[in-house]
Amino acid sequence: EVQLLQSGPEAKMPGESLRISCKTSGFSFSIYWLAWVRQRPGKGLEWMGIIFPGDSDTRYSPSFEGQVTMSVDKSISTAYLQWDSLKASDTAMYYCAKVRRAGRHDAFEFWGHGTMVTVSS
Amino acid sequence: EIVLTQSPGTLSFSPGEGATLSCRASEDIGSVSLAWYQQKPGQAPRLVIYDVSNRATGIPDRFSGTGSGTAFTLTISRLEPEDFAVYYCQYYGNSFRTFGQGTKVEVK
Repeated sequence: EVQLLQSGPEAKMPGESLRISCKTSGFSFSIYWLAWVRQRPGKGLEWMGIIFPGDSDTRYSPSFEGQVTMSVDKSISTAYLQWDSLKASDTAMYYCAKVRRAGRHDAFEFWGHGTMVTVSS
Repeated sequence: EIVLTQSPGTLSFSPGEGATLSCRASEDIGSVSLAWYQQKPGQAPRLVIYDVSNRATGIPDRFSGTGSGTAFTLTISRLEPEDFAVYYCQYYGNSFRTFGQGTKVEVK
């Protein structure tokens, strides 16, 4: 059974750093692109970027390039999304998602439950 | 950068009615790499349709997708109570993805 287990909610202050995680199981981690998607409160889905765990090839949406860092740890089948300096505008739910077919740019078949990040002073 | 436009933002139907949702691309995106997702309040999105017209696992056959080029549609033939949700289209034809802004299907 494919599972994407995301880390718990976070409450941070502006300027703080943060790393959230997406621990996966039930499939060959290295050969499926994994994506991160932002959803601000009451708003739509925004694609942030995508990473291929096999070689850490990463493609960022222009809107998020330089704002976040995606990474993986293949030894524990886990993907990460990191901020060096959070802003209030980063307050959102963040989802990780796995593409449908191995090695392909494809639809997002499986989703994590989301990690709520709240940034407030 | 390809932009997907879903309009209108909200559609109102009664259970049992049929619904047709629109997704328009800013340029020709071919006939393959488009998906539709359903999202209910407090839940993660769920894949409904991939590759324009293929139903994802567990999706009932009242859902269907069509289109090519710049115009795509998601049709729900007879709305069940559980179908009232927000629906997003997504292009995934290259390494860059984009979502439409979503259409809410609400109870009239």
